[in-house]
Formats: sequence, structure tokens, C-alpha cells
Amino acid sequence: DAGITQSPRHKVTETGTPVTLRCHQTENHRYMYWYRQDPGHGLRLIHYSYGVKDTDKGEVSDGYSVSRSKTEDFLLTLESATSSQTSVYFCAISESGGRSGTEAFFGQGTRLTVV
Amino acid sequence: GQSLEQPSEVTAVEGAIVQINCTYQTSGFYGLSWYQQHDGGAPTFLSYNALDGLEETGRFSSFLSRSDSYGYLLLQELQMKDSASYFCAVPNNAGNMLTFGGGTRLMVKP
Repeated sequence: DAGITQSPRHKVTETGTPVTLRCHQTENHRYMYWYRQDPGHGLRLIHYSYGVKDTDKGEVSDGYSVSRSKTEDFLLTLESATSSQTSVYFCAISESGGRSGTEAFFGQGTRLTVV
Repeated sequence: GQSLEQPSEVTAVEGAIVQINCTYQTSGFYGLSWYQQHDGGAPTFLSYNALDGLEETGRFSSFLSRSDSYGYLLLQELQMKDSASYFCAVPNNAGNMLTFGGGTRLMVKP
């Protein structure tokens, strides 16, 4: 199994509070991604990183920020959590970004509930 | 941008064959991937097609037609454990991120 871990695995937080989710990899893969998964919407990309300090927005980036200060860690921050951000969050890593068919490896997910 | 369409749900019986279709729109094309996700689990990679034709991996096969912007995942000799969601995915034009379809939930019945 690819070395990718997410923390925490479950979190309940109150509306308006900041929340940070962590993704840690031991594979030294260049690309790291944050997706959210909601019923009826599949996997939607929030932000991604293509190197240390190199990040870009995905499809649903509003209300989220990311940071990657080391190859192995990719942090997702909800600056002020809202109920619409209740979701399951997946981190993924990839060696090539998908252009050569190299598979993306996913973490086990973080179930976030905003009350 | 990219967009992918797949049926939301498919039902089949154990031992049967099922085909899950995916049509895509993308400005640049590298290939089509398929992922499987069991309830409560993480998506896992199944296959990748860069060229037209059928790729077979055990009971699972994946097909691509670049001219039709279409692909499918074929599951043979269905087993109960194949009950899961299946996602098709394509890289963006720069090849640095994956866009996923909405997923097809497969229910295998006895």
C-alpha cells in the first residue's frame, strides 16, 4: 500500500471555526491533491500541489486554502468552516499527475462535520 | 475544462456481465482511468487506457474510443464484492490533475 495518511480521520467542528486537515506521504510523489466527496457529486478537486510551495486551485476552492512547505505534507485549511463544507475529504498523491496513466493513491479520508 | 458523464446507478446479478459507460469532454487528452470505491473506503485504481481498444485485467476490462470520446469498464463473472462505485477520470490539459466523473454505483444482487 502507498504510504499516505490523513489526519484526523473524523472531526466535528462548529460553524465559523478554522479547521486544518493534514495529508502526509512517504512516497516522495510530486503531486498532491485534496478532493471532497459528497453524495451525487463524485470527487471534486479543491486544490492541488505540483511541488513544494507550488499550489493551484481546483474546481471548488472557495473557502479553502492549502500549504505545502515540505514534499511529504499537504495541509488543507478551512478558514471559517460552514455547514456546506460538511463532507468527506480525500487526499491523493501521484507521481506524474495523470498524464502517463500513473495511478493516483488515495488516503482513507477525513469525515468532517460542521455543526 | 473537462467533464465526464456516467450513469449514476447500475444493477446486475451475480455471475453476469455489466458495462459501465463514460463519455468525456476535454481540451487535451492523455488517457482514461477507472477507479473503484467501496462504501466507506478510498478510491483505488483499476485501469488506464491511452490508446483505442480493449485492455483486459482478469475479470475487468476497459475500452477506449478516442474518436468517440467514450470508454467503458466491463466487469465479468460478477461477484457480490464488486458492489461498489466506479469512477472514470481524465487528466487536465496540462496533465497535472485528475477530473473524475460523478461515479456509477453498481449493485450486485444474488
